[in-house]
Amino acid sequence: NAGVTQTPKFRVLKTGQSMTLLCAQDMNHEYMYWYRQDPGMGLRLIHYSVGEGTTAKGEVPDGYNVSRLKKQNFLLGLESAAPSQTSVYFCASSHRRAINYGYTFGSGTRLTVV
Amino acid sequence: AQTVTQSQPEMSVQEAETVTLSCTYDTSESDYYLFWYKQPPSRQMILVIRQEAYKQQNATENRFSVNFQKAAKSFSLKISDSQLGDAAMYFCAYRSGVFTGTASKLTFGTGTRLQVTL
Repeated sequence: NAGVTQTPKFRVLKTGQSMTLLCAQDMNHEYMYWYRQDPGMGLRLIHYSVGEGTTAKGEVPDGYNVSRLKKQNFLLGLESAAPSQTSVYFCASSHRRAINYGYTFGSGTRLTVV
Repeated sequence: AQTVTQSQPEMSVQEAETVTLSCTYDTSESDYYLFWYKQPPSRQMILVIRQEAYKQQNATENRFSVNFQKAAKSFSLKISDSQLGDAAMYFCAYRSGVFTGTASKLTFGTGTRLQVTL
């Protein structure tokens, strides 16, 4: 099993450019999440999804959009990148009946906006 | 909303010694789960240990154990016989045990960077 796969692993964007981060899981998990990690701030939830076709805002959703057209994929979009969005982005997934087991994480995407 | 506090940004321990990382949390719920994650330089998030709030017995995983004090809302991680490979960022996390529409998201602390010296 591949678990949770994030692409790309690294990316450099210019201010104002757009991009999409892809998260794919092969564990048939219902719940999927996007977090950002910044020094001294831990991991903060951007958006999450409880199932195919549904998304919801997390703690820091501004400047991001998401879509979950298929159960196994959760896309994070930046429409107009800003330097403040320089961060490491993590995708994670969870089975809805296994909340006592935490998440399965992807390996992260390091995004730099110049 | 739940909050998780890790008051030690950095800790250092000598190889083979014992170190304790602190974590406190704030919640009004009685059913929840607590986790410690390790993030080595590879950036991968690795689950170290977890604790169910309804269990009084402290969880243990080999050299890793927790001191769970529910009344004090404290969840510290003890690493015994520290090894060079334990050097990493450690995150404490909280997850509600209540099924809601919020997908039982994890709330993380700000992390503690652990250095292991010879």
